[in-house]
Amino acid sequence: GESVGLHLPTLSVQEGDNSIINCAYSNSASDYFIWYKQESGKGPQFIIDIRSNMDKRQGQRVTVLLNKTVKHLSLQIAATQPGDSAVYFCAGGSQGNLIFGKGTKLSVKP
Amino acid sequence: DTAVSQTPKYLVTQMGNDKSIKCEQNLGHDTMYWYKQDSKKFLKIMFSYNNKELIINETVPNRFSPKSPDKAHLNLHINSLELGDSAVYFCASSELDTQYFGPGTRLTVL
Repeated sequence: GESVGLHLPTLSVQEGDNSIINCAYSNSASDYFIWYKQESGKGPQFIIDIRSNMDKRQGQRVTVLLNKTVKHLSLQIAATQPGDSAVYFCAGGSQGNLIFGKGTKLSVKP
Repeated sequence: DTAVSQTPKYLVTQMGNDKSIKCEQNLGHDTMYWYKQDSKKFLKIMFSYNNKELIINETVPNRFSPKSPDKAHLNLHINSLELGDSAVYFCASSELDTQYFGPGTRLTVL
């Protein structure tokens, strides 16, 4: 069935380093992908999104890369800060229907 | 100023009771959703409404009944609560593909 998964459940990085969180999806019909950040006790917060007609999109300190050939999505966070510590979710889908991955917990060491 | 709000934030109740969670969005979006997040942080869609009409109804026990009095509100009523209903429930809304989440309601069934 359709699934969106993450390669690692946890990721620990040093403050100031770059972080890369990976995600794989199974449905080649998915045309929209999105990354969310969820801090403890809060709802998922939109970070960045990308449509299937693009392979890269940049925001402030974040970049999303989409490889449709291998159905892979990644989130890169530059100069990771303690405030980036959270669980990160990828989601993919079409027509407003999103399938969420399981989440990667990012821990930033000072 | 809150875009998507939910009440209550915490809900503790006994098995067998009936309870409701309310959601309101002031973004002018046409589509609203309910998600369930389990103890492992997995986010699963339950329902989706577009302009007060049900468009997604995943495999959810019929003890769960969403109600949308207008397109800015989507409430979730749960009958005969069970222990397994304990989770965090998130409301979200969207205009196109990007979904914006509320702060969540942590439901604990004793």
